Formats: sequence, C-alpha cells, structure tokens
Amino acid sequence: NAGVTQTPKFQVLKTGQSMTLQCAQDMNHNSMYWYRQDPGMGLRLIYYSASEGTTDKGEVPNGYNVSRLNKREFSLRLESAAPSQTSVYFCASSESGLDTIYFGEGSWLTVV
Amino acid sequence: RKEVEQDPGPFNVPEGATVAFNCTYSNSASQSFFWYRQDCRKEPKLLMSVYSSGNEDGRFTAQLNRASQYISLLIRDSKLSDSATYLCVVKANTNAGKSTFGDGTTLTVKP
Repeated sequence: NAGVTQTPKFQVLKTGQSMTLQCAQDMNHNSMYWYRQDPGMGLRLIYYSASEGTTDKGEVPNGYNVSRLNKREFSLRLESAAPSQTSVYFCASSESGLDTIYFGEGSWLTVV
Repeated sequence: RKEVEQDPGPFNVPEGATVAFNCTYSNSASQSFFWYRQDCRKEPKLLMSVYSSGNEDGRFTAQLNRASQYISLLIRDSKLSDSATYLCVVKANTNAGKSTFGDGTTLTVKP
C-alpha cells in the first residue's frame, strides 16, 4: 500500500521558474493538504481540499495554486518561484477533516 | 498567541528516563487530538490519537484535559530510538479539514 506519493523528491529552480508538485493517495481519502516546513519550524498549511472539487486557502497560500484533479490527486503549483519558497513540501491526506492525517515523504525544493 | 503551543525543548534525557511533553491549544471547539513523531528529514508519522479518557500504547501515554485545554504525552523507559521531534495536532470541526500543528518538541535520548 503506497499511501501518499509525491513527486519530485528533490528540485532546484531558478527564481521566476514555475513548477508543479504532484501528489496522489491510494487510500480513498476525501481530504488532501499541502504543507511547507522550514528549518526548525513547524508545518504550515498552504492549501487544502476538504473533498473532491473544493479547495481552500490555508495559512500561507500566497505564491501558490492548487488543483484537486480527482479524488486521488492534488497538485501544488508555483507560478513564479522565489527564494522564500525554498522549503520542504509535504502532501497529506485524511479520510475526513477530523481524522488522522497521513503524509507523503516530502519534496525538497530549493529556489536559487 | 499561537493556536497550539509546545515547549520546543530540546529535552535531553538519559536512557531509561521518563519524560513528559505538554501541548496547549486555544480553540475550545477543538475535537480531535493527536501526537505525531517526526524524525530528521522525514515526514511526520502518527504516534497516537488522544482520547478524552486517556490512552496508553506500550511505553507511551497520552492524556487530554479539556478544561485546561492541553494534551500531554508521557514516555516511560526512554530508548535511544525515541529521539525525534514530537508534534501535537489539534483539529476543530469549525475549521473543516484544517489541522493545527504545534511547532514540535525535540527529544534526544542519550546513552
């Protein structure tokens, strides 16, 4: 059982470039999330999708867009990368908003 | 004030010690509570859910105090492998789908 799979695992971008982080879950979960975690800091929610067809902003949405492509997939797009977006990005899912959250292994993004 | 607050530590304890972490939350509508463990450069993983009656899983005991709005995690007989960052997570139905994570407490267990 793969759980939550996100790609790529590592990426280096130049300032101004765009990229999409892909995430898929095979647990038939309704809710999906994108978090970022900066060194020595906690997880901050970027966007979440409570169910297929809906997306909502989290704590730090600026500079990002998301797409809930279907129940399985939730992608995160950086339209014009900035050095401040250098971080580790975690995709996660849960059956509902109150249930246990399961995380992907993380995507290490560096913007130079 | 943060919605969920944890003592960042670090907690440095010898093997075999008992250590306790607390986590306070400000949203009185919070309904679900969890402890996660995060190893360096890894994703957070569920350690245990926290129930109103308190719950125990081996050497780990979690408790919830709704009146004072805090949850706790007790680790008995610490092992070297317990070294990690422990995150508390609070969920409220009013923020459908939005979990609030504490910044984590770092534990180092030394021989």
